[in-house]
Amino acid sequence: GENVEQHPSTLSVQEGDSAVIKCTYSDSASNYFPWYKQELGKGPQLIIDIRSNVGEKKDQRIAVTLNKTAKHFSLHITETQPEDSAVYFCAAVGGNSGYSTLTFGKGTMLLVSP
Amino acid sequence: DAGITQSPRYKITETGRQVTLMCHQTWSHSYMFWYRQDLGHGLRLIYYSAAADITDKGEVPDGYVVSRSKTENFPLTLESATRSQTSVYFCASSPRSRGTGELFFGEGSRLTVL
Repeated sequence: GENVEQHPSTLSVQEGDSAVIKCTYSDSASNYFPWYKQELGKGPQLIIDIRSNVGEKKDQRIAVTLNKTAKHFSLHITETQPEDSAVYFCAAVGGNSGYSTLTFGKGTMLLVSP
Repeated sequence: DAGITQSPRYKITETGRQVTLMCHQTWSHSYMFWYRQDLGHGLRLIYYSAAADITDKGEVPDGYVVSRSKTENFPLTLESATRSQTSVYFCASSPRSRGTGELFFGEGSRLTVL
């Protein structure tokens, strides 16, 4: 099955700095890579996703890049703000038949200090 | 309110007792999921359901039972709770097939098994 590794496990930045979270996956058939943000006491929420036919996707201050050859993808947050503090999960899904479920990374706790 | 709701939000039980966590969604999404979240493990899939009366095992199904007699409900039962089942449980739903749709998570049920 799919295996997703996520780094770092914790990340502390100053407000205004950029933050980068990296994930690698094992299944070359995986074709969909979402990122979820989990605020304290809440369930995860989708913030951005990318499909395997795209190398980069941006949405305001967040962007995701995908390198299919190396089987890794990254989340970039620019101009970080205290409200960006949360746990971020990457995930991968793919497979060539039937229903394929998401495999999540173990999460990155991002702390943005004012 | 529309959305996905879990109950109870907090539960303390004793080893060997049966516990049922409830999940209800108002979107008529086809797919529903149960995840557990543990420090150091991220989100791990317990069971999922593609439609009423169709369920399948995820990564960590042992010790859990699910049912889905109606599209909107997906209860998770721990038949004989163990301390290792102390965790935060998240229910989620999705309208899309093949795992490439957004997951909508509930706010979680924190279970402590003494």
